[in-house]
Amino acid sequence: GNSVTQMEGPVTLSEEAFLTINCTYTATGYPSLFWYVQYPGEGLQLLLKATKADDKGSNKGFEATYRKETTSFHLEKGSVQVSDSAVYFCALRGFSGSARQLTFGSGTQLTVLP
Amino acid sequence: EPEVTQTPSHQVTQMGQEVILRCVPISNHLYFYWYRQILGQKVEFLVSFYNNEISEKSEIFDDQFSVERPDGSNFTLKIRSTKLEDSAMYFCASSGASDTDTQYFGPGTRLTVL
Repeated sequence: GNSVTQMEGPVTLSEEAFLTINCTYTATGYPSLFWYVQYPGEGLQLLLKATKADDKGSNKGFEATYRKETTSFHLEKGSVQVSDSAVYFCALRGFSGSARQLTFGSGTQLTVLP
Repeated sequence: EPEVTQTPSHQVTQMGQEVILRCVPISNHLYFYWYRQILGQKVEFLVSFYNNEISEKSEIFDDQFSVERPDGSNFTLKIRSTKLEDSAMYFCASSGASDTDTQYFGPGTRLTVL
């Protein structure tokens, strides 16, 4: 079945540091890939997505590139801010007809210190 | 901006009691989902719902669970006889016909079973 493996947390960075959160996946076919973010006390918000190989999703300075050869979708940001402190979830939606369920990674807690 | 809402934000119940968790999806969306996250664990898919019927469900979604869209706006998850292990955060999500890939999540209901 489908699975997502995500970098263990928590991650603590200083403001303006470079961020990478690793995500690899196992799936048949060509899944769509997502990063969701959960701020304290809030629900999951879609951060970015990519639907085919070599696509780059980007939003709010975050980027992730769909790498089929390495089955990866690592999240990066060049300069993090205190307001980026949150839990980040990598997820995939399998390519299987009507199947629309998302499979999530375990989440990575990011804390950015001023 | 339209959003998914959920009530209550926190529900405490005794083991064996029935609970109903309520969600109002985004108004023109057609696909509805429930996920749950046990504390410290991954977000897990429970069920998806389209055209007034269940389209997919996971092995977690056993006979104790049911979903309903009782009117044009609400989407509910019922747990018939709660168990201690049902304690979790329950998230509702919805997606539209034009972009079925993107699921919009509510803020969640924290269910505590005593």
